[in-house]
Amino acid sequence: EVQLVESGGALVQPGGSLRLSCAASGFTVSSNYMSWVRQAPGKGLEWVSVIYSGGSTYSADSVKGRFTISRDNSKNTLYLQMNSLRAEDTAVYYCARDGYCSGGSCFGYWGQGTLVTVSS
Amino acid sequence: SYVLTQPPSVSVAPGQTARITCGGNNIGSKNVHWYQQKPGQAPVLVVYDDSDRPSGIPERFSGSNSGNTATLTISRVEAGDEADYYCQVWDSSSDHWVFGGGTKLTVL
Repeated sequence: EVQLVESGGALVQPGGSLRLSCAASGFTVSSNYMSWVRQAPGKGLEWVSVIYSGGSTYSADSVKGRFTISRDNSKNTLYLQMNSLRAEDTAVYYCARDGYCSGGSCFGYWGQGTLVTVSS
Repeated sequence: SYVLTQPPSVSVAPGQTARITCGGNNIGSKNVHWYQQKPGQAPVLVVYDDSDRPSGIPERFSGSNSGNTATLTISRVEAGDEADYYCQVWDSSSDHWVFGGGTKLTVL
């Protein structure tokens, strides 16, 4: 059974840093497209970053240069390093995996999310 | 960047058919996916590749995609279908994933 468990969410001051983790089980992280998707309070879904099975990464313009997605194959875990945090980064962050659809273009599996609050 | 447009809300009586649209430039050339999200829960994929359903999703959920509009259709709507629904595509020109703004389905 595919499981994704996020952790690391916290209250952090503007300009601060935080690292989110997503522990995966039931599959191999390095064999799939893995993404982070966030949802600000009362708002819609926003894709943040992806890491392909080959290791290439892409990020939304809103976080480019501040957030870095990575994985640890030995721990089967996905990460999101978030630097220079802003109030507008406040959101629930979901870890998501491809699945079902052609070309890995959708998110077939989701974690339960972890809350990041950026405030002084 | 590619933009997907959804109506903010759709209302339907139980047993009726709900249709939620997702507009985008030549969206018919892309694979469209739909997610259901209930309050306090993670999204769930309900339709992928325009019209396919993951295992466990009722046949009442179906999708279509042509021209500049994709549509999620929910037949014989039940109270438990009340949720936010999001469309999503992958924009190959930028290697970005794009979500629509979401539609709140209210069951009257």
